[in-house]
Amino acid sequence: DVKVTQSSRYLVKRTGEKVFLECVQDMDHENMFWYRQDPGLGLRLIYFSYDVKMKEKGDIPEGYSVSREKKERFSLILESASTNQTSMYLCASSGGGRQEKLFFGSGTQLSVL
Amino acid sequence: EDQVTQSPEALRLQEGESSSLNCSYTVSGLRGLFWYRQDPGKGPEFLFTLYSAGEEKEKERLKATLTKKESFLHITAPKPEDSATYLCAADGSGNTGKLIFGQGTTLQVKP
Repeated sequence: DVKVTQSSRYLVKRTGEKVFLECVQDMDHENMFWYRQDPGLGLRLIYFSYDVKMKEKGDIPEGYSVSREKKERFSLILESASTNQTSMYLCASSGGGRQEKLFFGSGTQLSVL
Repeated sequence: EDQVTQSPEALRLQEGESSSLNCSYTVSGLRGLFWYRQDPGKGPEFLFTLYSAGEEKEKERLKATLTKKESFLHITAPKPEDSATYLCAADGSGNTGKLIFGQGTTLQVKP
């Protein structure tokens, strides 16, 4: 069964901390994505990657960076966490040159205090 | 600006009471319209992709349809296990493969 695994289900951090959210997929997918999901705002794309060591900014990249050193792993980094980054973070992957049928992880609920 | 809007935000149905969820989109050069289901505390799960106006797809009690401006997710004789948030998303030619998601419709089906 295909799987996207996010390293933490719940995470509590302090303002100013550097935060790493890890995502691993076992489907050999080229494309990987990081979204955040907030009530009333839906899913918003933070960063995405179409290949190893490639990254593209999504709609809300400010305050975030990403790393993709291996095809199966896509990390989201909060350089200096702030309270407005408290959210549900969802990682997704898809295969092929055309984006379709995203497979999502279960999400990481991050609280920044 | 490309946009996807879903209505209603929330819907309560009695078991067996059929209804429809709406997804309106303004996207340049639609390449695909997607429906996902999301259960509480979980990531969205893929349901359907529709590519052109007039296309329909079915899965159990769900049927998705597409016109040039909107998509509908019809739920026939729903059961309590159909309770979830339903998300639609559009892939337009100007978005380099990025999906634009609507805010979702939260469906509750009461027994």
